[in-house]
Amino acid sequence: DSGVTQTPKHLITATGQRVTLRCSPRSGDLSVYWYQQSLDQGLQFLIQYYNGEERAKGNILERFSAQQFPDLHSELNLSSLELGDSALYFCASSVGRGGAVDTQYFGPGTRLTVL
Amino acid sequence: GESVGLHLPTLSVQEGDNSIINCAYSNSASDYFIWYKQESGKGPQFIIDIRSNMDKRQGQRVTVLLNKTVKHLSLQIAATQPGDSAVYFCAENLRGSNYKLTFGKGTLLTVNP
Repeated sequence: DSGVTQTPKHLITATGQRVTLRCSPRSGDLSVYWYQQSLDQGLQFLIQYYNGEERAKGNILERFSAQQFPDLHSELNLSSLELGDSALYFCASSVGRGGAVDTQYFGPGTRLTVL
Repeated sequence: GESVGLHLPTLSVQEGDNSIINCAYSNSASDYFIWYKQESGKGPQFIIDIRSNMDKRQGQRVTVLLNKTVKHLSLQIAATQPGDSAVYFCAENLRGSNYKLTFGKGTLLTVNP
C-alpha cells in the first residue's frame, strides 16, 4: 500500500458525460501527479500540482482539468467524454522538495470506461 | 515520440534464476531514472531509482545499472520469485522538466515455478 488513495475504483459512463476522479496523497506529500494509462499509449503524464498550484503540464487534453485543494487532495475532471478516454487514471504523490527530483508513489488507479 | 524504450517486451524465467530487464533512453539530458513494477490491477510500485551521477545502485534483491555512454538502463532481479511476475517500467526525468516522468512501454516478466 503506497499511502495514496483514489476514488472511485471503477467508473462507467457514457460519451459526452463529465466525471471527477479524486486523489488523496500520502501524508506529508505536497506534490500530486496525474497519469493516464491506455493500452496503445502506455503511461502518460498529464499534469502536476504542488501545494495547490499547477507546476507542470503534459499531454492533457483541453477537455480535462485538475486542481489541488488546500487539504492537498486533488481532483481530475474529464468532460465531453469520448470512447478513447477509456483508460486507467493514476494519481501519484511525492514530497515535492524544491529543486530536486523526488520519488513518486502511485495510487491504485481509477478504471474509466466510456460507453 | 517517447524517449524511453524497452528492448524486450516479454521475459520468461525460471524461479530462482536471475532476471535482467533492459531499457534504452535517447535523451542524454535525463538526470534521474526509476524502475516501477506493476502487478495486474494495481498501480505502479516504486522499486529503485538512480541519478545520472551514479553507475550502479543496489536494493534488496534488485540492482539498477546505468550506462550513460550507450544510454542504457537495466534492472537485475536476483533469485526471481513467482511474486516478481509483473510488468516492469523504466521511467526517466528530463533535467529541467519539472519532474514529469516519461515512461517506457514496459516489459512483462513471467516467473515459472
